[in-house]
Amino acid sequence: QVQLQESGPGLVKPSETLSLTCTVSGGSISGYFWNWIRQPAGKGLEWIGRIYTGGSTNYNPSLKSRVTMSVDTSKNQFSLKLSSVTAADTATYYCARALEYGTDYWGQGTLVTVSS
Amino acid sequence: DIVMTQSPDSLAVSLGERATINCKSSQSVLYSSNNKNYLTWYQQKPGQPPKLLIYWASTRESGVPDRFSGSGSGTDFTLTISRLQAEDVAVYYCQQYYNSPYTFGQGTKLEIK
Repeated sequence: QVQLQESGPGLVKPSETLSLTCTVSGGSISGYFWNWIRQPAGKGLEWIGRIYTGGSTNYNPSLKSRVTMSVDTSKNQFSLKLSSVTAADTATYYCARALEYGTDYWGQGTLVTVSS
Repeated sequence: DIVMTQSPDSLAVSLGERATINCKSSQSVLYSSNNKNYLTWYQQKPGQPPKLLIYWASTRESGVPDRFSGSGSGTDFTLTISRLQAEDVAVYYCQQYYNSPYTFGQGTKLEIK
């Protein structure tokens, strides 16, 4: 059973960079796309982007200028960096496995609050 | 971007009755080369991540009860829960997987009447 776990700071200051890592267990990270998706409290889901284990990426244009994703297959991990954060970036961030037709395995999510 | 619009925003249905949620995309999500609709439904319960229910508009994910069904093609889609159970209380989202960015509907909150 594939499991995903997000990790990283729960509090980030405005204008700084949010950094999260997702660790995949129970299966290989190789050969798949991996998503980052976020959800502000009480609101809907926003797809941030995805990375393939070969390194290719697709980012949401609304965030593209601030997003960087990377993957470390040796550690079975992938990562998200979101720069110049504001309060609007406060959300629960999910990492998840992306298939051709949807997202099947999700982490439990990690709440990131942007505040000074 | 493809805009996904769900209706209604919230819905209250009696136990054992049918619940119907609609999802409309701003452009077709039918991929002509394989005749598949890249439309996916998720269920999200409080405090949990979303769960994949249905993909390609009508294919049930393994382990999903058969009271959940999806239909539609092109731009108009429906998720139906045939006999509502208490554990089906959740927010339901549609998502298009046709074009990046892979946009979600705003969600439909399903409650028991």
